[in-house]
Amino acid sequence: TQLLEQSPQFLSIQEGENLTVYCNSSSVFSSLQWYRQEPGEGPVLLVTVVTGGEVKKLKRLTFQFGDARKDSSLHITAAQPGDTGLYLCAGGYSGNTPLVFGKGTRLSVIA
Amino acid sequence: NAGVTQTPKFRILKIGQSMTLQCTQDMNHNYMYWYRQDPGMGLKLIYYSVGAGITDKGEVPNGYNVSRSTTEDFPLRLELAAPSQTSVYFCASSYRMSDTEAFFGQGTRLTVV
Repeated sequence: TQLLEQSPQFLSIQEGENLTVYCNSSSVFSSLQWYRQEPGEGPVLLVTVVTGGEVKKLKRLTFQFGDARKDSSLHITAAQPGDTGLYLCAGGYSGNTPLVFGKGTRLSVIA
Repeated sequence: NAGVTQTPKFRILKIGQSMTLQCTQDMNHNYMYWYRQDPGMGLKLIYYSVGAGITDKGEVPNGYNVSRSTTEDFPLRLELAAPSQTSVYFCASSYRMSDTEAFFGQGTRLTVV
């Protein structure tokens, strides 16, 4: 059972375009994390959100946690080729329960 | 800082062979994890550990074993390799279980032929 659904699965855009990727679940999470993974490397944390409705910005990346803490979005403004990679969301529960990862959105930004 | 170190980076195994994937971390994290990543399938948890001497099964533990004799090391053992175990394996560690950063190694690409 895939608890976290990410969409779209693949996205190919031109440099300078804006985009939004989504992470949805029927479960309520205590926290949600976004990771970026480049080819041949392990995932690297971009952000953690813990409060419903929370918005965090990281340069051109804007992350939002849904009010009900069941979903999240990642918006990239003016995408650049360096943004190319696999974006993974991961939901966390309270207590000693491991993170649950989505399947990821593979982003390609073409110069 | 080394972080999480995995060895080897690449390995080809024949069906039925055994091997151990090594993982060590230098951040004194209690929590450690093994994931496998298949194309288009995200990360699936194989085993995890909340501290030395304690391990637990994840989503896909069949065909694998782990041990955690020290805080630093968390090796993953494949006893009888099967083609279905062809994948990229990632080891990770974290300070807490779910709301702190998970640090990943660079991965081991395993092919079983």
